[in-house]
Formats: sequence, C-alpha cells, structure tokens
Amino acid sequence: DTEVTQTPKHLVMGMTNKKSLKCEQHMGHRAMYWYKQKAKKPPELMFVYSYEKLSINESVPSRFSPECPNSSLLNLHLHALQPEDSALYLCASSQGPRTEQYFGPGTRLTVT
Amino acid sequence: AQTVTQSQPEMSVQEAETVTLSCTYDTSESNYYLFWYKQPPSRQMILVIRQEAYKQQNATENRFSVNFQKAAKSFSLKISDSQLGDTAMYFCAFMKRENNDMRFGAGTRLTVKP
Repeated sequence: DTEVTQTPKHLVMGMTNKKSLKCEQHMGHRAMYWYKQKAKKPPELMFVYSYEKLSINESVPSRFSPECPNSSLLNLHLHALQPEDSALYLCASSQGPRTEQYFGPGTRLTVT
Repeated sequence: AQTVTQSQPEMSVQEAETVTLSCTYDTSESNYYLFWYKQPPSRQMILVIRQEAYKQQNATENRFSVNFQKAAKSFSLKISDSQLGDTAMYFCAFMKRENNDMRFGAGTRLTVKP
C-alpha cells in the first residue's frame, strides 16, 4: 500500500472558523510533511515531522498549527485564516528523513 | 540556499516522440538528492525518478531517464515514447542529504498531443 490519504478533499471556511485537515499513511513512514501549493506554482514546504517530532517549521503563521498524534497521522489545524491562505494543501510522507516523498491528493481550501 | 531552475514553462510533444525537460540547480553541497515529480491535472504529485548525487550512473525508470551532470549542476528528464497520460506539470526538486527540506523548481507544463 503506497498511499497517502487526505481529508477532506475540499473545504470552504470563513475567516473566523476553526477547521482541521487530516493526513494518514500506513506505509510505516517516519517522516511527514505539509506543503502549500498556490495555483500554477510549485509546492512550498510548511512543516516537517520526523519520528513524530516537529523538525522544520518554515516560519509559517501561527494560524496554522500542525499536530502529529502518531506516526501514521498528521493534522493541520486552521484558525482565523485569511483569503490569501486559499490554496491546495498537500501532505507527504517518506520512509525516513532523507528519502523520496510520497504525496497525497491534497485538500483544496477556500477561505471566504 | 538552494535554488532550482526550470527554464521551460511549457512544452509539447507528439505522442510516441521523445522530449527532454531541463533543470539546473545551485548548491554548495556535495551530497544531495534530485527528483522529478509529475503532477497530472488531477493534481496528485507522483514521483517519477530520483538520483543520488554520489552515483555517477544516470537513473532510469522504464520510459523515463535522466541526464545528470554534477559539475554543470544539470538534471534533465528524458521521456521516451511519450504517451497521452504523460500530460502533466513536471517539477524538478532538490534535497540536501542531511535533512528532508525539499525545494522545487517552478515546473514545466508538458502536453502530449495525439
């Protein structure tokens, strides 16, 4: 099973809402990632969890809060987002910190 | 900081023909990984091929092969016998060996025409 799943596929939220994005993998990978991708742009790294510990935070605003409850799950909690945060949010995982990453299908987020 | 440059925003190729996508990168590191990822219109990013910088042999995966020129910091992707399903955005990516911070190029949109 070489699949990373993400829920929901689409999310529309207001600027005062609190929502969460979920990512799951069952490949035994020990590193998980959140990326943000704007239209016609490459993915931009947001957070990296390695062995369930946050190892990279690319100066992401605090309205984005990652959580890694266990080695298979990665959440991204959203609060008080801005319209410019509308984007495709991609989750990825890798076997270790220095191997290729496998991506999920993404969550299309629209902030109104 | 590492930068990855893809100088061809868009390319097209006829079905069954061969096409080469260019990628150059800038780094002072000697140990690193390079990747090509494909993102079809359905948007899921798929790994196409990977290359480890310490390996001189060019990586190959079926119809996909790379031309890795370490001294020139060049990493091009050749797609042979192009198929309609190869239509996608192709991203070149660089990752330092000691961490998992992967950086992408701007991408090349490839269209395979019937």
